[in-house]
Amino acid sequence: GENVEQHPSTLSVQEGDSAVIKCTYSDSASNYFPWYKQELGKRPQLIIDIRSNVGEKKDQRIAVTLNKTAKHFSLHITETQPEDSAVYFCAAHFGNEKLTFGTGTRLTIIP
Amino acid sequence: DAGITQSPRHKVTETGTPVTLRCHQTENHRYMYWYRQDPGHGLRLIHYSYGVKDTDKGEVSDGYSVSRSKTEDFLLTLESATSSQTSVYFCATKLAVSADTQYFGPGTRLTVL
Repeated sequence: GENVEQHPSTLSVQEGDSAVIKCTYSDSASNYFPWYKQELGKRPQLIIDIRSNVGEKKDQRIAVTLNKTAKHFSLHITETQPEDSAVYFCAAHFGNEKLTFGTGTRLTIIP
Repeated sequence: DAGITQSPRHKVTETGTPVTLRCHQTENHRYMYWYRQDPGHGLRLIHYSYGVKDTDKGEVSDGYSVSRSKTEDFLLTLESATSSQTSVYFCATKLAVSADTQYFGPGTRLTVL
């Protein structure tokens, strides 16, 4: 079945440093890869996404890269700030209807 | 947040009792989803709907049923709640099959004693 693996499960970085979270997916037909941020007690919210016809996408301090051949994609956060502390989930679209999520990465920014 | 609300927001119930959670959206989105969130498992799809009266199973559908009689409402029912169904339940919606983004509701924390 569809599978998305996410690493690491926890990540601590010094404020101002960069953070990278990686995901791999199983279905080569997947064509859409969103990243969600979930703060404690809140709903997941989309922060960036990428479609399979694009290799990289940036939005200010966050970027996502996609390697279709290797079936992996990554979230990059630069110049991290305390408000970046949250749980981040990657996901992959299987067919046009469903998303399969990774198991999440708890990012902690150390002041 | 695509005008999504969930009710109740918190519920404590006992094993063996029926429970119904409600998701309501005001955006006329065609697709609606129910996920459960548990530590170490991320978000797992329970059931989803692609239109009024049109539903399909997700990866963890055992013990759950759903109904969608109106575009705006998607109900999740636990016929006989078990302790393993203690979780946080999130509803999500998506505009159409051609759309990508799923928008999440605020979640319902369910505890089964």
